[in-house]
Amino acid sequence: QKEVEQNSGPLSVPEGAIASLNCTYSDRGSQSFFWYRQYSGKSPELIMFIYSNGDKEDGRFTAQLNKASQYVSLLIRDSQPSDSATYLCAVNMGDTGRRALTFGSGTRLQVQP
Amino acid sequence: ETGVTQSPTHLIKTRGQQVTLRCSSQSGHNTVSWYQQALGQGPQFIFQYYREEENGRGNFPPRFSGLQFPNYSSELNVNALELDDSALYLCASSSSGAPYGTQYFGPGTRLLVL
Repeated sequence: QKEVEQNSGPLSVPEGAIASLNCTYSDRGSQSFFWYRQYSGKSPELIMFIYSNGDKEDGRFTAQLNKASQYVSLLIRDSQPSDSATYLCAVNMGDTGRRALTFGSGTRLQVQP
Repeated sequence: ETGVTQSPTHLIKTRGQQVTLRCSSQSGHNTVSWYQQALGQGPQFIFQYYREEENGRGNFPPRFSGLQFPNYSSELNVNALELDDSALYLCASSSSGAPYGTQYFGPGTRLLVL
């Protein structure tokens, strides 16, 4: 079974620190990778997507992809209490093309003021 | 630009009943995917609709069915509800031309089966 794994947390960081969220995936043919933020009781909100090896930066967020290691991460710089949420890693796996996203169970991030 | 909308927001049903959930896709998007999210879990893919046809299905039984209409809106129907069907049901829309299948979620419908 094709899987996406995340540490459930909670990951606790002080305000202003860098939060590092990690995700591994099982299907080597996976094509694109997404990070969603989900506040309690709300729906997932897209933060970033990445499909090439290396880093992709957008404001305080940096996504990192290493296809050889089947590993994707999200760094949040200058973490704020408003960043406290569950972060979902999602992978568009090869055999379903553009059809389905496979999600991890999410990492809960707590930013302490 | 109008985002993804879903109705109703909350629903309570009893075991054995049937339910219909509705989704309107984001303006310019022609593809709709449905996901089920149980408490404490990530969303699980149910199926996707493109051009009014089912375009991929996850590991859900046939009592989960759907439709897509010419205006790209969609319905999810669940027959013979079971207690385990209690979850947040999410609709996500995307464009067939979008890079690598980027999907945007609606606010969800929270279903409770008693």
